[in-house]
Amino acid sequence: NAGVTQTPKFQVLKTGQSMTLQCAQDMNHEYMSWYRQDPGMGLRLIHYSVGAGITDQGEVPNGYNVSRSTTEDFPLRLLSAAPSQTSVYFCASTQGRGTEAFFGQGTRLTVV
Amino acid sequence: AQSVSQHNHHVILSEAASLELGCNYSYGGTVNLFWYVQYPGQHLQLLLKYFSGDPLVKGIKGFEAEFIKSKFSFNLRKPSVQWSDTAEYFCAVIKNTGGFKTIFGAGTRLFVKA
Repeated sequence: NAGVTQTPKFQVLKTGQSMTLQCAQDMNHEYMSWYRQDPGMGLRLIHYSVGAGITDQGEVPNGYNVSRSTTEDFPLRLLSAAPSQTSVYFCASTQGRGTEAFFGQGTRLTVV
Repeated sequence: AQSVSQHNHHVILSEAASLELGCNYSYGGTVNLFWYVQYPGQHLQLLLKYFSGDPLVKGIKGFEAEFIKSKFSFNLRKPSVQWSDTAEYFCAVIKNTGGFKTIFGAGTRLFVKA
């Protein structure tokens, strides 16, 4: 039982490049979310999904896209990377409403 | 704006000292409350949670937290910290208990001196 798996663990991008951060969970959780973690700011919600085919914006969605074609996968796309998107990104899944989140190991992204 | 506030950004303690980390939230309705811990280089893990019932909840590794509804607070405590407790601690809230969105505080970095 792998839990929540994120790839890659580290990535360096040039400004303007695009990429996809992968997230997969094997716990059959209906809710998945993406956060970015920046020093002194905690975790800020980027996008979330309450089930396959359903996504919505969080606090800081600009510059990111998501899709949820299956229960297991929730990729995060950076459309045109900017230095302000340098951060650590965490994917999380939640079994049910109001319950705790299970986090992936994180992706450290640097945009130069 | 609705938020989760953690009062201390950095805390330094010696081993065996007592720990209390403050957390306040600003939501008026019913909430579910959580403390997560992030050890250096690792992902967030659940430390403890409060949904209802006894306002004093116990978590893993000797941590506990007390929910005080009148103060909108959910402070984390540990009577005697260890060097291995060095980590960042996040308070988090799901409002209205039936929601999915978890709102996190800014985190408190704890360093325990051996």
